[in-house]
Amino acid sequence: SQQGEEDPQALSIQEGENATMNCSYKTSINNLQWYRQNSGRGLVHLILIRSNEREKHSGRLRVTLDTSKKSSSLLITASRAADTASYFCATGGGNAGNMLTFGGGTRLMVKP
Amino acid sequence: DGGITQSPKYLFRKEGQNVTLSCEQNLNHDAMYWYRQDPGQGLRLIYYSQIVNDFQKGDIAEGYSVSREKKESFPLTVTSAQKNPTAFYLCASSRGLSGYTFGSGTRLTVV
Repeated sequence: SQQGEEDPQALSIQEGENATMNCSYKTSINNLQWYRQNSGRGLVHLILIRSNEREKHSGRLRVTLDTSKKSSSLLITASRAADTASYFCATGGGNAGNMLTFGGGTRLMVKP
Repeated sequence: DGGITQSPKYLFRKEGQNVTLSCEQNLNHDAMYWYRQDPGQGLRLIYYSQIVNDFQKGDIAEGYSVSREKKESFPLTVTSAQKNPTAFYLCASSRGLSGYTFGSGTRLTVV
């Protein structure tokens, strides 16, 4: 079962613009993670935010978490063509222990 | 360099044939996982193992089998009972509540 659901499913922007992806989930969590997947490749871990954190930064990435709304957002600032990939949120902890449940992903295309 | 290795990268299966996908990690992670990904979709959990000699079914275990005889290895067998095995298979490992490390995947095609 997929707990996290990303929105939008697909996003197309111009290089230099910001990209925002959202994730909603249903049950209590210990942490929420974002991953990136280039076409035909494995997933790469980007950032983890714990349930007691509200915002976290890593380079051009900014993640927010609102546990009252059971939602998270991933912001990529000043996007580059190399950011073109699929982005997945994954929720962990709570009743699932250290298991992660992945959403369906947002396919981001950054046009040069 | 520590990492997780999946092989082969591409695999072709004939109807009624069993095939085994390899997954090896040298990260000293206790937990390992197998996911299936269909085109344009998210990841669905097939099997997972939290410790050697123990594994649990995920959401779509039917038609698959696994073993965990060594900490480093978690092979997945796609049996003839899996009627629609064509997909991209991803192996991952983790320690505690940290992020997962993924392999580069195996693309399985039925011919």
